[in-house]
Amino acid sequence: DGGITQSPKYLFRKEGQNVTLSCEQNLNHDAMYWYRQDPGQGLRLIYYSQIVNDFQKGDIAEGYSVSREKKESFPLTVTSAQKNPTAFYLCASSIDVGPGNTIYFGEGSWLTVV
Amino acid sequence: AQKVTQAQTEISVVEKEDVTLDCVYETRDTTYYLFWYKQPPSGELVFLIRRNSFDEQNEISGRYSWNFQKSTSSFNFTITASQVVDSAVYFCALSEADSNYQLIWGAGTKLIIKP
Repeated sequence: DGGITQSPKYLFRKEGQNVTLSCEQNLNHDAMYWYRQDPGQGLRLIYYSQIVNDFQKGDIAEGYSVSREKKESFPLTVTSAQKNPTAFYLCASSIDVGPGNTIYFGEGSWLTVV
Repeated sequence: AQKVTQAQTEISVVEKEDVTLDCVYETRDTTYYLFWYKQPPSGELVFLIRRNSFDEQNEISGRYSWNFQKSTSSFNFTITASQVVDSAVYFCALSEADSNYQLIWGAGTKLIIKP
C-alpha cells in the first residue's frame, strides 16, 4: 500500500535524552514535512525538505534536527535542547513544495517526556 | 492577526442533524489555495478537499459540501445528515505565495456527533 509510515507510534523519553522519530514514504514524493501538534492546538511546522540532502527550518525548529539522505526517509531527532517536547508529531509529504500541492500525512507519533 | 480563523472551538450535535463548520481566511495574494482536513481520534490527518482561489464553485461530495465565498473570505464546510463517524477535529488551511506555499492552519473545530 502506498503511504507514509511513522514509527514508533508511542515513545517515552527521559529528560536529557535525544530521540529519533522515523518517517518513510513510498509515494515517490519529493517534499517531506514534520509538524508538531499540542493538545487542542493546530499544527506547527518544524522542518521541511524539498529534495534529498536539503531541508529548511519551519516555525519551531529550535531543539529539533532532521536529515534527508534518501528520498523516502525524513527522520526527526528531538534533542535535549527542546525544552517541552511532549507532543504529537506528524510527518507528511507532497509531490513537491509548489503552489497548492496537497500534503498527505502519516498516522503520527506520540512523544512523552517522563 | 490570524490568517485562518476557525471560530468554533467545539460543536456538538445529535446524529442526523446538519452542521456547518466555519473557516475565514486572510491573504493578500490573488492566487491561493484552501484545504480541509479531518483528524479522527486515531490522529492521522485525512485530506478532504483543495480549492484554488479562481474556482468559486461550491463542491459536493456525498454528505459533505463546501461553500467558498471570496467576497467574505470564507470557505465553510457542511455535513448533511451527520453520523457518529463524522466525530473528529476538522482543520481548515491556507496555502499562499506570501508564506512560500507552506500551509497555514486554523486551530481546528472539534465536532462531536451524539447518537
